[in-house]
Amino acid sequence: AQKVTQAQTEISVVEKEDVTLDCVYETRDTTYYLFWYKQPPSGELVFLIRRNSFDEQNEISGRYSWNFQKSTSSFNFTITASQVVDSAVYFCALSDLSTSGTYKYIFGTGTRLKVLA
Amino acid sequence: DGGITQSPKYLFRKEGQNVTLSCEQNLNHDAMYWYRQDPGQGLRLIYYSQIVNDFQKGDIAEGYSVSREKKESFPLTVTSAQKNPTAFYLCASKGGSPGYTFGSGTRLTVV
Repeated sequence: AQKVTQAQTEISVVEKEDVTLDCVYETRDTTYYLFWYKQPPSGELVFLIRRNSFDEQNEISGRYSWNFQKSTSSFNFTITASQVVDSAVYFCALSDLSTSGTYKYIFGTGTRLKVLA
Repeated sequence: DGGITQSPKYLFRKEGQNVTLSCEQNLNHDAMYWYRQDPGQGLRLIYYSQIVNDFQKGDIAEGYSVSREKKESFPLTVTSAQKNPTAFYLCASKGGSPGYTFGSGTRLTVV
């Protein structure tokens, strides 16, 4: 069965600290996609990154970086030099060909990040 | 700009009342989805539609109904059969690529 686990419910850091959000997934498919979304207090889900199962290259985008490791079924997200504006709930999601034959998202329960000034 | 519009942003429902949440997209996406978000539970799929005039139940469809008469529109009705409807509802659409585009959500409260 498909599953996404974000074990960290809430993390608090002081501004300028680095922080890593963990995501572990389960799927039987060989082709799948992994995503990270940010949900600020306004509620809308903001897309951050997408990775497919055949691309294990890590990625850096400004202060954000992602570490995808198929061997451990993990897709962790690091924010370097955190800022107060990074405060939000972050969701990891998996999309694979479910038993219905269509790609659907499975979301983790989210990690609430609080960056303190 | 293309996107998804959900309305209203806030909605209050009395006990035993049906309410309808609107979701409109101008992205020309075939697939549309409704998710429910409760604190600490992430997002759960209510209904989805891959094409006009067709839709399927998600993981928590009981107490909800949908229609897909137009490609652009996928309204969700929360019926009186839904015993605990207070939640944040998110609509999404998907085109050719695997990612979703989300609306800004509707917060429903039972009063």
